[in-house]
Amino acid sequence: QKEVEQNSGPLSVPEGAIASLNCTYSDRVSQSFFWYRQYSGKSPELIMSIYSNGDKEDGRFTAQLNKASQYVSLLIRDSQPSDSATYLCAVGVFQGAQKLVFGQGTRLTINP
Amino acid sequence: DAGITQSPRYKITETGRQVTLMCHQTWSHSYMFWYRQDLGHGLRLIYYSAAADITDKGEVPDGYVVSRSKTENFPLTLESATRSQTSVYFCASSESRGGSSYNEQFFGPGTRLTVL
Repeated sequence: QKEVEQNSGPLSVPEGAIASLNCTYSDRVSQSFFWYRQYSGKSPELIMSIYSNGDKEDGRFTAQLNKASQYVSLLIRDSQPSDSATYLCAVGVFQGAQKLVFGQGTRLTINP
Repeated sequence: DAGITQSPRYKITETGRQVTLMCHQTWSHSYMFWYRQDLGHGLRLIYYSAAADITDKGEVPDGYVVSRSKTENFPLTLESATRSQTSVYFCASSESRGGSSYNEQFFGPGTRLTVL
């Protein structure tokens, strides 16, 4: 079983709709969770971090964490064509240093 | 400019040659990381460093060497490049918060390396 799993997609969502991206992880001691956005040919860009159970909102983005279910999600409201990218879920564990384990990413396409 | 930079951005080399990829950050972050990104494997940690002169192996360290004599620089050397090391390499950095696991990592623009 992979440590961090994401549906690779592609996920196609109409403009203006809500895009929902999901991620599960296997290590129960994980304490920090991140969502990165990566445009084609570019580097990962941190868009959300979440550390406690529940929801965290930042503009059109909402991260949701459920540690009991080992599940983290990202909702993008009012999706725009500029949101089309690959979204990487990363889970952090402190083992001498903050290490991130990445999922393989979900490719999201927003259709005008 | 402040931030994290990598050089070169693109590199083509031949099997057996030594290649060094540079990473420089201006945030004075304690931690620095090297990842490679390949189709089908996602981002994988090669080496990391907690501070100057402190480095440790990640998930895929074989064939790579790192050093960190200054906090701001973290070069990655491929001592004898192989075709399997063709990849996109990303450097990242994060602050240290006294052992907290909450440190966010910020990535450089990447180096696309092709080994012929």
